[in-house]
Amino acid sequence: EMVLTQSPGTLSLSPGERATLSCRASQGVDSRYLAWYQQKPGQAPRLLIHASSRRATGIPDRFSGSGSGTDFTLTISRLEPEDFAVYYCQQFGDGNSPRYSFGQGTKVEIK
Amino acid sequence: EVQLLESGGDLIHPGGSLRLSCAASGFTFDIYTMSWVRQAPGKGLEWVSVIDKSGEITYYADSVKGRFTISRDNSKNAMFLQMNSLRAGDAAIYFCTRIGIPGTFEIWGLGTTVTVSS
Repeated sequence: EMVLTQSPGTLSLSPGERATLSCRASQGVDSRYLAWYQQKPGQAPRLLIHASSRRATGIPDRFSGSGSGTDFTLTISRLEPEDFAVYYCQQFGDGNSPRYSFGQGTKVEIK
Repeated sequence: EVQLLESGGDLIHPGGSLRLSCAASGFTFDIYTMSWVRQAPGKGLEWVSVIDKSGEITYYADSVKGRFTISRDNSKNAMFLQMNSLRAGDAAIYFCTRIGIPGTFEIWGLGTTVTVSS
């Protein structure tokens, strides 16, 4: 069973600072199938990054994704007030049957 | 505008049944794989089930297999989740999602809330 572990659990930063979020997989991940989502309180998640590093439509370029194998990173170059939220990584594996796994989330809060 | 709108969430007793619906609009529904993802109160996201564009191929998370059934009606641009033998652990917001980019939940509805309590 694939397990995605995100770190840190909470990231306390100020607007304008750089945020670096980690997602580590228990097994190798096909980079085509690693995504990141943003969720604000009371809202549905929103797709930010797919295929490890491709920004979804309308996502600002301060968001970037990188990584391969078992280690992936979401970077927010300069935090805007609207970026304080919870971020989830997610992978898809199509072994014997499709499986979609999420990390437990990283909360980016205002310091 | 691409939109997914869930409905059917309710307060239900343990062991009860519930049917969730997802109404899609603003895109060609029958060319997309669709899925349900849930989020328990204060918790993270959990994939529940997926259905291919024809409705013939379905998969489930182990936690719901044998109790939940996903289906769709392409003539009505709708997807459904029949939930039986509900447990306290099934209490969550259930999101309808579109899988347009392979392996990725590209579009999300606002969610519908299922509460399981006696």
